Amino acid sequence: LAKTTQPISMDSYEGQEVNITCSHNNIATNDYITWYQQFPSQGPRFIIQGYKTKVTNEVASLFIPADRKSSTLSLPRVSLSDTAVYYCLVGINTGGFKTIFGAGTRLFVKA
Amino acid sequence: NAGVTQTPKFQVLKTGQSMTLQCAQDMNHNSMYWYRQDPGMGLRLIYYSASEGTTDKGEVPNGYNVSRLNKREFSLRLESAAPSQTSVYFCASSEGLTSGIVYEQYFGPGTRLTVT
Repeated sequence: LAKTTQPISMDSYEGQEVNITCSHNNIATNDYITWYQQFPSQGPRFIIQGYKTKVTNEVASLFIPADRKSSTLSLPRVSLSDTAVYYCLVGINTGGFKTIFGAGTRLFVKA
Repeated sequence: NAGVTQTPKFQVLKTGQSMTLQCAQDMNHNSMYWYRQDPGMGLRLIYYSASEGTTDKGEVPNGYNVSRLNKREFSLRLESAAPSQTSVYFCASSEGLTSGIVYEQYFGPGTRLTVT
């Protein structure tokens, strides 16, 4: 199983760019990388997904190096409302579906 | 379009009692999931249903049973509740499952269960 490793917590200030890196050394050839955001007392919400290189949408960018053993979620110009837990997830579906969310990274954005 | 709905929102059980958590989605999704989240922890998959008529164990299935009632509904049953099952339970759905791809999952608001 491709386990993920992320920093436990990060602090930032409003207006800064935040980069959260996730390590997934055992990622399989067919696995995709997905990031979710979770606010307190809510279910997680999908942010972005990618396979290789760079993916960008209206809220974030995802950078994946050629070896795919890590990935970096980039949040441009964060605001107080971006304070949340961010999960890196590697898709696994070989002989059964397993989802490894891990403990995530707690991002705290300060004014 | 309500997305994923869960009932109840809160529940307190005594050890040994049973209950069923209900989940429904209105997005015509094929796959549905049940997770639990303990305080300060990530989500752990209990059971999932790749498509109507199928269910499979996830990471922590012991003490739980599930029923995929139809395409829309996926219930989670605790036959004999234990304090270790105190947690927040989330239901989710997605278009489907394909090898290596985790389709975007849509989560419900959660059920906060306390077992005393």
